[in-house]
Amino acid sequence: NAGVTQTPKFRVLKTGQSMTLLCAQDMNHEYMYWYRQDPGMGLRLIHYSVGEGTTAKGEVPDGYNVSRLKKQNFLLGLESAAPSQTSVYFCASSYLRGPWNEQFFGPGTRLTVL
Amino acid sequence: DAKTTQPNSMESNEEEPVHLPCNHSTISGTDYIHWYRQLPSQGPEYVIHGLTSNVNNRMASLAIAEDRKSSTLILHRATLRDAAVYYCILLFGGAQKLVFGQGTRLTINP
Repeated sequence: NAGVTQTPKFRVLKTGQSMTLLCAQDMNHEYMYWYRQDPGMGLRLIHYSVGEGTTAKGEVPDGYNVSRLKKQNFLLGLESAAPSQTSVYFCASSYLRGPWNEQFFGPGTRLTVL
Repeated sequence: DAKTTQPNSMESNEEEPVHLPCNHSTISGTDYIHWYRQLPSQGPEYVIHGLTSNVNNRMASLAIAEDRKSSTLILHRATLRDAAVYYCILLFGGAQKLVFGQGTRLTINP
């Protein structure tokens, strides 16, 4: 199993450009999450999904959109990138709902917006 | 979300035990205590979790105080590979969203 993979690993954008980050998991997990991590900080939840076709807002959703058209994929979109969105983005997935469940994280995408 | 308090940094020596403390004085009865760690330039990695009783797994042990207001992650024999930021997180009943604080940066000396 590859676990959770993220594409691309690195990206540089200019202000106003758009892009989509792809997260894929091969563990048949229902739940998927997008987090961002700014330098020296902990992770913050952007959006999450509790199943195919459903998404919900997290702590810092502004400026991002997401889609979960297939169970194994969770896409994070930036329609008009801003320098404040420079960050490392992590995707995660989990099998069960509930506080006893662990999340599996991808390796991250480092995004720089100039 | 109930908050946790951890030291910003700790240092230990290779092959010695490490005790990482976490205070969570406002914990509620349904909050699970989770620990994750983040190695340099990697995504977070699950370590262990518990509710009331002490827990052991292949990576670590979790000691939970009787009043549940604090807990300690124990690495029995630290290696250089254990150098990471360790996050103590409370996960309340019905939720699955992790709320990360700043964690404890653990340095292991050879």
